[in-house]
Amino acid sequence: LAKTTQPISMDSYEGQEVNITCSHNNIATNDYITWYQQFPSQGPRFIIQGYKTKVTNEVASLFIPADRKSSTLSLPRVSLSDTAVYYCLVGDDPNAGNNRKLIWGLGTSLAVNP
Amino acid sequence: DVKVTQSSRYLVKRTGEKVFLECVQDMDHENMFWYRQDPGLGLRLIYFSYDVKMKEKGDIPEGYSVSREKKERFSLILESASTNQTSMYLCASSYLAGNPEKLFFGSGTQLSVL
Repeated sequence: LAKTTQPISMDSYEGQEVNITCSHNNIATNDYITWYQQFPSQGPRFIIQGYKTKVTNEVASLFIPADRKSSTLSLPRVSLSDTAVYYCLVGDDPNAGNNRKLIWGLGTSLAVNP
Repeated sequence: DVKVTQSSRYLVKRTGEKVFLECVQDMDHENMFWYRQDPGLGLRLIYFSYDVKMKEKGDIPEGYSVSREKKERFSLILESASTNQTSMYLCASSYLAGNPEKLFFGSGTQLSVL
């Protein structure tokens, strides 16, 4: 059964780069690794996803090593509005004998300070 | 803009009441999900559906049922509400093929059972 592990919380300051790593083993070999952002009293919102190597969009970058056992969400030059909870999401490995399902991390609460 | 709409933002019910939570999506997605979110426990899947009239149990289906009579609508039913069902309920949808890990969430329903 796939399992994800990410830090419970992180602190940062405005203008810094923040890297949040999610460890995930036994994930589906053909599925994306996806990251979400959640503000209080809202549903999670898709940020970025990738399959391998590096992906960059206007919000973040995502680094995935060749073994896909972890992924790192990178937020460049954070601002106060980036204070949120960040979740990683992976697919379970169907070859592990389980029905394929989506596995969520417990979330990393990022606090950006002035 | 894509949208997942949950019928209520806040709901207060009494123990033993039957509760209906409604969710509608306008993206023609096949997959629809119901999660509950509690502090420290992350997102836990209650039920999901990958087609009209189809439903699959998630990780915590006890005390809940669902209905999907139309593709765009997925309802969560608490047959007899209990205090331990006080929680944030989140509905989501995604495509079945191609990129099922890209979920679109509603804003959530904060349910309090007294």
